[in-house]
Amino acid sequence: GESVGLHLPTLSVQEGDNSIINCAYSNSASDYFIWYKQESGKGPQFIIDIRSNMDKRQGQRVTVLLNKTVKHLSLQIAATQPGDSAVYFCAENSSGGSNYKLTFGKGTLLTVNP
Amino acid sequence: NAGVMQNPRHLVRRRGQEARLRCSPMKGHSHVYWYRQLPEEGLKFMVYLQKENIIDESGMPKERFSAEFPKEGPSILRIQQVVRGDSAAYFCASSPLPGTDTQYFGPGTRLTVL
Repeated sequence: GESVGLHLPTLSVQEGDNSIINCAYSNSASDYFIWYKQESGKGPQFIIDIRSNMDKRQGQRVTVLLNKTVKHLSLQIAATQPGDSAVYFCAENSSGGSNYKLTFGKGTLLTVNP
Repeated sequence: NAGVMQNPRHLVRRRGQEARLRCSPMKGHSHVYWYRQLPEEGLKFMVYLQKENIIDESGMPKERFSAEFPKEGPSILRIQQVVRGDSAAYFCASSPLPGTDTQYFGPGTRLTVL
């Protein structure tokens, strides 16, 4: 779900480790979810998406898991690299089927230590 | 294949001046969305436009803000009589034909109001 605050959740990992970034959403009617990566001074970059009729989807080095029962979304990054350091946002579609208005979570700052 | 383009990348205005932010969607995309991002927060939806039509402006402040997407040329987000609270990063996103949900973001315009 959407939340605001002054401090981003942070995750610090060693290069080569796997990273798991979590996101909770509140709208049970949401049916489309996206993970974006935002590097400092840049716009959000699409990583992977998933629809509510799926519970898992894999991309290159990334996996998104969706648990609709507890309204939880996670992004797994395998073999994390320094270039993965960024803020990661989950976004949900909450337009009652119109499929355009994205609601963003607060974001998680991922730091990869070499 | 150019992505979403936004200009200027940085804009400084004094209180009371006008700010014009421009967005050119990806080639073949006819749907444009504007979002605002405050420091350490997620993006907040402002407005959704198609060519010559405002579809949803529910996220736009009632006064001073307007948006357009003319038949020719970029989409414009216009802020009149700017105040310090308007300082933020403004991102434009675009998507292809109706029914597809992935929104691709531009690099953003960082507005600073002195």
